[in-house]
Amino acid sequence: DTEVTQTPKHLVMGMTNKKSLKCEQHMGHRAMYWYKQKAKKPPELMFVYSYEKLSINESVPSRFSPECPNSSLLNLHLHALQPEDSALYLCASSQDPLSPQHFGDGTRLSIL
Amino acid sequence: EDQVTQSPEALRLQEGESSSLNCSYTVSGLRGLFWYRQDPGKGPEFLFTLYSAGEEKEKERLKATLTKKESFLHITAPKPEDSATYLCAVQGGSEKLVFGKGTKLTVNP
Repeated sequence: DTEVTQTPKHLVMGMTNKKSLKCEQHMGHRAMYWYKQKAKKPPELMFVYSYEKLSINESVPSRFSPECPNSSLLNLHLHALQPEDSALYLCASSQDPLSPQHFGDGTRLSIL
Repeated sequence: EDQVTQSPEALRLQEGESSSLNCSYTVSGLRGLFWYRQDPGKGPEFLFTLYSAGEEKEKERLKATLTKKESFLHITAPKPEDSATYLCAVQGGSEKLVFGKGTKLTVNP
């Protein structure tokens, strides 16, 4: 079991739906990350929150909207997604932006 | 631009047959090189961080080494449970990790 918890584990949604992915860590880490991973590819960085402020947005389409309500929680709000957005979405956290990142097991997202 | 190249893409070993995985990198101002293990359907599991050339880290059957241009992950007497994809990543001047494409290791009993 990892110390970064992601919910839900699986999500199927239509292109007009709105849903949210959630990530939680209780290790006192101050940096949190969203990654997208397609099959047989490495994780691709989407967003970085450092001390609860968005510090990196890797030119991600606006249909993905991150939110960091507090230092333990990270959300990814989804709206009007496309079939090519189907992937494994990974959350990670680290003690600070330069420390090793620890990953959750991801949310497997399928867009119909 | 920071780049990471891992080789080979896939490696099949017999149980007990030692080998090494390679991670070549180019980065401006290396802050850290990271090794992860990823099992199917799971998130990457952190293994090691290396910060400077000459550094070595060990954990069970795994040993990671670092030079100015590459890192090796040595696997001694592997077991079937070592089968996984091993990812290498570097961190340069920003908070961003740049990953290689990984080496898929299969250890046959």
